Amino acid sequence: QSALTQPRSVSGSPGQSVTIPCTGTSSDVGGYNFVSWYQQHPGKAPKLLIFDVSQRPSGVPDRFSGSKSGATASLTISGLQADDEAEYYCCSYAGTYIPFVFGSGTQVSVL
Amino acid sequence: EVQLVQSGAELKKPGESLKISCKGVGYRFIDYWIGWVRQMPGKGLEWMGIFSPRDSDTRYSPSFHDQVVMSVDNSINTAYLQWSSLQASDTAMYYCGRRRMVQGAPFDSWGPGTLVTVSS
Repeated sequence: QSALTQPRSVSGSPGQSVTIPCTGTSSDVGGYNFVSWYQQHPGKAPKLLIFDVSQRPSGVPDRFSGSKSGATASLTISGLQADDEAEYYCCSYAGTYIPFVFGSGTQVSVL
Repeated sequence: EVQLVQSGAELKKPGESLKISCKGVGYRFIDYWIGWVRQMPGKGLEWMGIFSPRDSDTRYSPSFHDQVVMSVDNSINTAYLQWSSLQASDTAMYYCGRRRMVQGAPFDSWGPGTLVTVSS
């Protein structure tokens, strides 16, 4: 099972928007509406930001939004803030026996 | 408050065995899968496997099948990840996470991680 493809890094200025794509296949991202996104600050555990492609858990700001088209999911961070500087991982359901595949991770830098 | 409490950092030699733990607090333990995720130094997240405390259903990632064993002790709401013979390449941070027993559910809560260092 190959990791989902994400760009190594994206960057933006405070207040701007950035979008992180996550490309999979018809066996994972393209086959199910079960894409989640996690934020990980250095030395910390991952934190759930988005699930089921576009749903936010309570407490996650609406500056974070998710979408999907075909086998590519995307995370958009609007109104970029300094604290958004972190690593972001997508994750997709991939079936009953291999239920998870993570993306390769994207470092977001706030200029 | 939901918490996953993981055991402390470990320093081991190659060939030694190890069992690390993850205790669920603040929720009904048997209602959620427990999953394990490896993060090697400077690298990304790798899903290792998930275990159902309710019926012991187990799914391993092909990359970790035969490398580790997952188990639980429901009497103390604790999940375990164990190795019989560690290698230097097992040096990593290991996170546990919980997910609802619903198709496609994400890991909605994570432990702080257990750092495992394997060195002679």
